[in-house]
Amino acid sequence: DTGVSQNPRHKITKRGQNVTFRCDPISEHNRLYWYRQTLGQGPEFLTYFQNEAQLEKSRLLSDRFSAERPKGSFSTLEIQRTEQGDSAMYLCASSLGRQAKGSGANVLTFGAGSRLTVL
Amino acid sequence: AQSVTQPDIHITVSEGASLELRCNYSYGATPYLFWYVQSPGQGLQLLLKYFSGDTLVQGIKGFEAEFKRSQSSFNLRKPSVHWSDAAEYFCAVVRRAGGTSYGKLTFGQGTILTVHP
Repeated sequence: DTGVSQNPRHKITKRGQNVTFRCDPISEHNRLYWYRQTLGQGPEFLTYFQNEAQLEKSRLLSDRFSAERPKGSFSTLEIQRTEQGDSAMYLCASSLGRQAKGSGANVLTFGAGSRLTVL
Repeated sequence: AQSVTQPDIHITVSEGASLELRCNYSYGATPYLFWYVQSPGQGLQLLLKYFSGDTLVQGIKGFEAEFKRSQSSFNLRKPSVHWSDAAEYFCAVVRRAGGTSYGKLTFGQGTILTVHP
């Protein structure tokens, strides 16, 4: 397994354009998470999936953001009508959420991230 | 609301010197605790975690951390720093209760470590 893979690694776009990021988690992991990291800050939780179900969305995730995980494998994060404030690193992570006490579900493996710059 | 504080934004040490990075959390109950490292162009790599038991936990790359309940702290240490340890370090916590809390980590703002030769 090559870990969590994210594409593209870098995206530069003009304000108002739509962008989509893809995340391929570790194959046996059933949970997938999206985080956003702005300059000088730690990552902030955006949303997560268990298999194909999106179970929670942060208040940070405006209506312009949509995430999918159609077959419970890879996930996409789309940002519509991008704004300069969307410029950030978008991190994907996955975990295995089957351990009896649940602690393992909190052991996240992160991808290298997709850096978005909105001009 | 839960929060994680890393008081030091930037720390500089000489190679071979000891290191301690501070982390304090504010939470209703003892959470699960983590330290991650992020190098430029790389994702976050888990250094170590504390779930329960021995309050001194060992991690990868020679790092260790000590959980102190009375101080709500989880400080990261290394006895002798190598130039390759230069990176940004993040402390993170997550609620123990599970359910919808799984994987919803709250991160500190990070500490940048510079290592002088």
